[in-house]
Amino acid sequence: QVQLVESGGGVVQPGRSLRLSCVASGLTVNTNALHWVRQAPGKGLEWVAVISYDGSEIYYADSVRGRFTISRDNSMTTLYLQMDSLRAEDTAVYYCARDRRSCCYFGMDVWGQGTTVTVSS
Amino acid sequence: QSALTQPASVSGSPGQSITISCTGSTSDVGGFIYVSWYQHFPGKAPKLMIHEVNNRPSGVSNRFSGSKSANTAYLTISALQAEDEADYYCSSYTSRNTLIFGGGTKLTVL
Repeated sequence: QVQLVESGGGVVQPGRSLRLSCVASGLTVNTNALHWVRQAPGKGLEWVAVISYDGSEIYYADSVRGRFTISRDNSMTTLYLQMDSLRAEDTAVYYCARDRRSCCYFGMDVWGQGTTVTVSS
Repeated sequence: QSALTQPASVSGSPGQSITISCTGSTSDVGGFIYVSWYQHFPGKAPKLMIHEVNNRPSGVSNRFSGSKSANTAYLTISALQAEDEADYYCSSYTSRNTLIFGGGTKLTVL
């Protein structure tokens, strides 16, 4: 089955850290850029970050730059999002998505089902 | 950077055509061909409908089409069907090497 599966979400206190993972199965991702996109409750989609197929290019949204780190392990076809200094406004469903090309903005053609992060004291 | 501007809602009857607009600036929509459109059912994974302004991925109905004029991109859905009722988002590459989404449009099929 062709899919991306996110994990690592949960409830965390403000200021703490969380690491999300996204595993690809049944599809190629080693030659594709990978994104994280989130959706806060009642809000629209918000792009978070992208990493090129080989990790040489990484870009972040202003809202997370300096706090979040995107990385990938191609040998394990896994994408990560290290989230530090979490804030209440980071509460959202986080999706990983595959870009159509090696980097970086040609359209996201495969998406995971999402993992929920709640930042609350 | 603020989200691209989309109408909050649009509606149409089965068989009709509707168009959703997505307005940005010369730094995003107007400056690049990297505009995409996504269909999103709440609680589900978004689905790519259009990429690079007017290209449909394999498997997407030809009732969906995209276009762009100046700083505004458009998604047109023809021969509207009940199953098209969903949220639709545009996205664009920006001059700052980032991606920006529109605020989303809720399509209601009457």
